Amino acid sequence: SYELTQPSSVSVSPGQTARITCSGDVLAKKYARWFQQKPGQAPILVLYKDDERPSGIPERISGSSSGTTVTLTISGAQVEDEADYYCYSVADNNLGVFGGGTKLTVL
Amino acid sequence: EVQLVESGGGLVQPGGSLRLSCAASEFPFSNSWMHWVRQAPGKGLVWVSRIGGDGSRISYADSVTGRFSISRDSATNTLYLQMNSLRTDDTAVYYCRYSYDNGDYWGQGTLVTVSS
Repeated sequence: SYELTQPSSVSVSPGQTARITCSGDVLAKKYARWFQQKPGQAPILVLYKDDERPSGIPERISGSSSGTTVTLTISGAQVEDEADYYCYSVADNNLGVFGGGTKLTVL
Repeated sequence: EVQLVESGGGLVQPGGSLRLSCAASEFPFSNSWMHWVRQAPGKGLVWVSRIGGDGSRISYADSVTGRFSISRDSATNTLYLQMNSLRTDDTAVYYCRYSYDNGDYWGQGTLVTVSS
């Protein structure tokens, strides 16, 4: 199947480490991307190829991969990191797929 | 700076049609993968379709196959999404997206409302 599964919500206090997982069979063979979306805004790319950061993305955001699970980690989460996060990959049949999204609360 | 500007959204009755456009600039449009992604009100992102730089290698999500058609015009740097047989569950903000090896850009979206 080409579904990606994320927790619906994650909550941390400022300064703590937030971890958001994304699981799916396609991730064993394909890279994942992570997008951050704040209310009323278009998504922005925060990670590609599982763990690469585009320019301008803070170093506290990192990624990792193991088997069929990828993880986005925010070390020392800040209030400004509060957003919805989506993982994304492309299946063998060239169909794109997003995870269901995770609402990160920092308070 | 990369710019993607969607247009063409609006209110349409169930069973109707609509064509979305995305005006692209400041990147090599004719060599770039382009996508449409949608987001229903209060819901998550859903991939809809993609098209290769030469207009081939087209893919669609199962939910829109046979009803939607993606195309592009490299002379005007414009991406299109023709949407036919619209249903109420097609109501969403539709985003145009440019993706490449180490980057990803999105437009601000255009709202499509399917309602009687």
